[in-house]
Amino acid sequence: GNSVTQMEGPVTLSEEAFLTINCTYTATGYPSLFWYVQYPGEGLQLLLKATKADDKGSNKGFEATYRKETTSFHLEKGSVQVSDSAVYFCALITGSGYALNFGKGTSLLVTP
Amino acid sequence: DAGVIQSPRHEVTEMGQEVTLRCKPISGHDYLFWYRQTMMRGLELLIYFNNNVPIDDSGMPEDRFSAKMPNASFSTLKIQPSEPRDSAVYFCASREGVDSPLHFGNGTRLTVT
Repeated sequence: GNSVTQMEGPVTLSEEAFLTINCTYTATGYPSLFWYVQYPGEGLQLLLKATKADDKGSNKGFEATYRKETTSFHLEKGSVQVSDSAVYFCALITGSGYALNFGKGTSLLVTP
Repeated sequence: DAGVIQSPRHEVTEMGQEVTLRCKPISGHDYLFWYRQTMMRGLELLIYFNNNVPIDDSGMPEDRFSAKMPNASFSTLKIQPSEPRDSAVYFCASREGVDSPLHFGNGTRLTVT
């Protein structure tokens, strides 16, 4: 079946540090991959996506590259801000499905 | 665009009581999803609808859970009777089409004592 595995959190970084949150997946077929972000007290919001191998999704300084050979979609940001503190979810959907499979989420705390 | 609207935001009830959670999807969205979020299990898909028809309810944990979508602008998730292990945040989400992004509501935090 389809599944997503994310690195365990929480991740604590100082402002302006480099961020990497690892995500690997298992899927039948050719999935589309997503990162969603959840701020406290809110629902999830789409951060970025990639629909085929070697695509790079980017938004708000975050980026992730769809790596088919390593079945990965790691999230990166060169310089994090306090306002980036949130929970980040990796997710996938395959062409044969209609619902996203989410990872368990990784909590990020950025300190001044 | 008001986004996906869920009510109530918080619900506290006693074990054995009936609980009804409500959702208004974004107008024009054909897909509606109910998710449950807990620390232990993360985000779990409970059920989803396409054009008001339930497509996959395999994630509904027990017969105590039921969901309806009587029209394109309203859905309910009902738990009867509720149990303490049902305590979680329940999210509703909608999507315009298969390739469109998912839009989440702000969730209902359910506490069953």
